[in-house]
Amino acid sequence: DTEVTQTPKHLVMGMTNKKSLKCEQHMGHRAMYWYKQKAKKPPELMFVYSYEKLSINESVPSRFSPECPNSSLLNLHLHALQPEDSALYLCASLGTPGQKLFFGSGTQLSVL
Amino acid sequence: DQQVKQNSPSLSVQEGRISILNCDYTNSMFDYFLWYKKYPAEGPTFLISISSIKDKNEDGRFTVFLNKSAKHLSLHIVPSQPGDSAVYFCAASATFGSGTYKYIFGTGTRLKVLA
Repeated sequence: DTEVTQTPKHLVMGMTNKKSLKCEQHMGHRAMYWYKQKAKKPPELMFVYSYEKLSINESVPSRFSPECPNSSLLNLHLHALQPEDSALYLCASLGTPGQKLFFGSGTQLSVL
Repeated sequence: DQQVKQNSPSLSVQEGRISILNCDYTNSMFDYFLWYKKYPAEGPTFLISISSIKDKNEDGRFTVFLNKSAKHLSLHIVPSQPGDSAVYFCAASATFGSGTYKYIFGTGTRLKVLA
């Protein structure tokens, strides 16, 4: 089982809304990642959690707030987003051995 | 500062021929390299990887070559099939701080395999 599950698949929100993206994996992976991808661009790293602790924050604005409640679950809380935050948000978990990063199918976010 | 680059934004290949996708990197701390295939609005799918201690890794139709001195890697697909048409990303990994791996993605190459 190499599945990373992301919900919802699509999300439309206003600039004053609060919403959350959810990511789940049951492969026993100990590191989980959030990436953001805009059209025709590469995935861009946002956050990394290792053993449920935040280990990398790529200077992401505070309107994005990650949370790792347990080793299988990763959330991204969204508040007061801007239209330019519209993108595909990808979650990934790190499998070992081999350092392979497994991705979910993403959440397509539109901010109006 | 793009540490991982794919200089060909697009590539067209006839079905049955070889597809060669290239990737260059600048950071000598990268020690693991991966190739992903991606369709629009979907997550990247892992294809093949290579450790920096090797110069070649093969898996079915996919072979990855690594030239550390040139900081260059390439993905060969033989034979190419129409179903291979997608955007291909290379990614490079380095250990960051307390054992966390940081993955940086290249700019992507859109491969089109013509029937």
